Amino acid sequence: DTEVTQTPKHLVMGMTNKKSLKCEQHMGHRAMYWYKQKAKKPPELMFVYSYEKLSINESVPSRFSPECPNSSLLNLHLHALQPEDSALYLCASSQGDSVGYGYTFGSGTRLTVV
Amino acid sequence: EDQVTQSPEALRLQEGESSSLNCSYTVSGLRGLFWYRQDPGKGPEFLFTLYSAGEEKEKERLKATLTKKESFLHITAPKPEDSATYLCAVQAGSGGYNKLIFGAGTRLAVHP
Repeated sequence: DTEVTQTPKHLVMGMTNKKSLKCEQHMGHRAMYWYKQKAKKPPELMFVYSYEKLSINESVPSRFSPECPNSSLLNLHLHALQPEDSALYLCASSQGDSVGYGYTFGSGTRLTVV
Repeated sequence: EDQVTQSPEALRLQEGESSSLNCSYTVSGLRGLFWYRQDPGKGPEFLFTLYSAGEEKEKERLKATLTKKESFLHITAPKPEDSATYLCAVQAGSGGYNKLIFGAGTRLAVHP
């Protein structure tokens, strides 16, 4: 298995809702990432998990809460989002958190906040 | 500050018309340079990793090269299916982690 699987593919949520994005990989990768991508912009790093521990938080608002229950699974919990949070949310994984390892990206979750 | 700049922002080619995309970078200690292809609404798809100046890699109609200041993605005799956004990203030593810094991308359109 050489894929990163993200669910759901599309999500529409109200500003008072609570929802979660899910990411799964079975490649034995020990680093996992959340990126946010707005239309016609490059991906922007949000969080890095290394060996199931949060190692980087790029000053992301607390309405985004990451969780790594095990080495294969990464969640992003969403609460009280704003319309400007609408974007493509990408999960990625890599073999380790040392330099030189490329990322494998999932297909993303298209999030719309209404 | 680490920076990655891609040019052109958009490129329109006729099928079979070869061209090059540019990625220039200013980073403190390049550890790796990556090229990705991204189709609309999809995640980036890995193409190449380059680690040192002078390195070249090829895959079908694509060839990536690296110098000390920039990388080029050469597209030879492109086909319409090569239409996509091509992203360049670097890993810098200052990050301390496996952190990719992306350029804004080049949107390539190949017309029959």
